This record gives sequence, structure tokens and C-alpha cells, in this order.
Amino acid sequence: KAGVTQTPRYLIKTRGQQVTLSCSPISGHRSVSWYQQTPGQGLQFLFEYFSETQRNKGNFPGRFSGRQFSNSRSEMNVSTLELGDSALYLCASSLGTSEKLFFGSGTQLSVL
Amino acid sequence: DAKTTQPTSMDCAEGRAANLPCNHSTISGNEYVYWYRQIHSQGPQYIIHGLKNNETNEMASLIITEDRKSSTLILPHATLRDTAVYYCIVRVAGSSNTGKLIFGQGTTLQVKP
Repeated sequence: KAGVTQTPRYLIKTRGQQVTLSCSPISGHRSVSWYQQTPGQGLQFLFEYFSETQRNKGNFPGRFSGRQFSNSRSEMNVSTLELGDSALYLCASSLGTSEKLFFGSGTQLSVL
Repeated sequence: DAKTTQPTSMDCAEGRAANLPCNHSTISGNEYVYWYRQIHSQGPQYIIHGLKNNETNEMASLIITEDRKSSTLILPHATLRDTAVYYCIVRVAGSSNTGKLIFGQGTTLQVKP
């Protein structure tokens, strides 16, 4: 079974731009969560989608948004990028009722 | 905020058991203890979880004290590939909360030859 796939692996943007990151969960998994990891703040929960509905949200500004499609694939979008948005963005999937999360390798975003 | 306290770093000799402690003195009766690890440049990997009984799987053992205020993750025969940051997390089990984990700073385990 293929694992969680995140694309792209690396991304460079400039301040003020927007970015869209993609996540393909493990086949059959209905829950997709997103996390931001920075050296200063560590791993922080962004949001979770289950069956195309957001069911949990972390403490991030509205510039961070996401969505989930009917095939459970998910995208997250960050608008009006700031230097502080430079981070590793991780996606995790689960069955939605299982307690195990399976993480992808992440997208490393650099904002210049 | 994370509800767990872990040492910042630990060393372990290759082939020896690695014992990683975690304090969770404010744990509630319906909260489980989870362990994940993150090897450099990869996403976190689930290791094990438990409520109050000791648990063992192919990766590790989890020992939870009787009062549930602390636990220890045991890697029985550490290898160099076990070098990683280990996160201890407590959370309520439930279908509406499965995707949300609150990570602390974790313990950096360095396995040395």
C-alpha cells in the first residue's frame, strides 16, 4: 500500500504570494490532517478534514486554509505569504476512527 | 500546550535498551498515552499507545505507572536507525478528534556505536 504522498517536496516563494500544497492519503483513509513544523515552534496542528468537512482547527490565521476532495485528497493554501511561514508542512492521514496517524515526508516551504 | 514533560536529549549505546521517560501528571482518566518518533527529514512515525496496561508491539514496549502519571517507552535493542526525536503525547480517544495531536518538544535520542 502506498504511503501518504505530499507534493511538491520543496517550494520557494516570495512574500505576498500564495501557495497550494497537496496531500494524497493512504487508500481508504478518510481523515487528513495538516501540521506546520518550525525550529522555534515545533510541530503545530493546522486543521483536520474528514469526509470533505473540516472537523478540527488549530490556532492559525485565516490565511491558512484547506479543503478535501471526494477522493480524500487534500490541499492546503496559504495566502499572502510571510517570512514566518517558512516551514515544513506535514500531512497525515488516518481511517478517521483509528488512533494511528500516518505522516507524509512533508513539503519544505521557503519564503524569501 | 503539551501536557507532557520529556528530557530534552538522551544517549544510548547501540544494542542496549533505550528507556525514554515521560511525565504526564495531569492526565485524565480517558486520555491515552501515545508515542511517535521523527527521524530527520521525515514525517513522524507512530510507535505505540496505551491507556493503563503495559503494551508491546514489534517496535517497542510502553510501561505506564499504576497512577498513570508517567510512562516509559522501551526500545529493547537500539540501533543507529533509532536515532530520532521521540514524542510522548496524551490525548482523548474518540472519532471526532483523531487527527489532532499536540506535540511537545520531544526527546532527541542519539544511539551511539
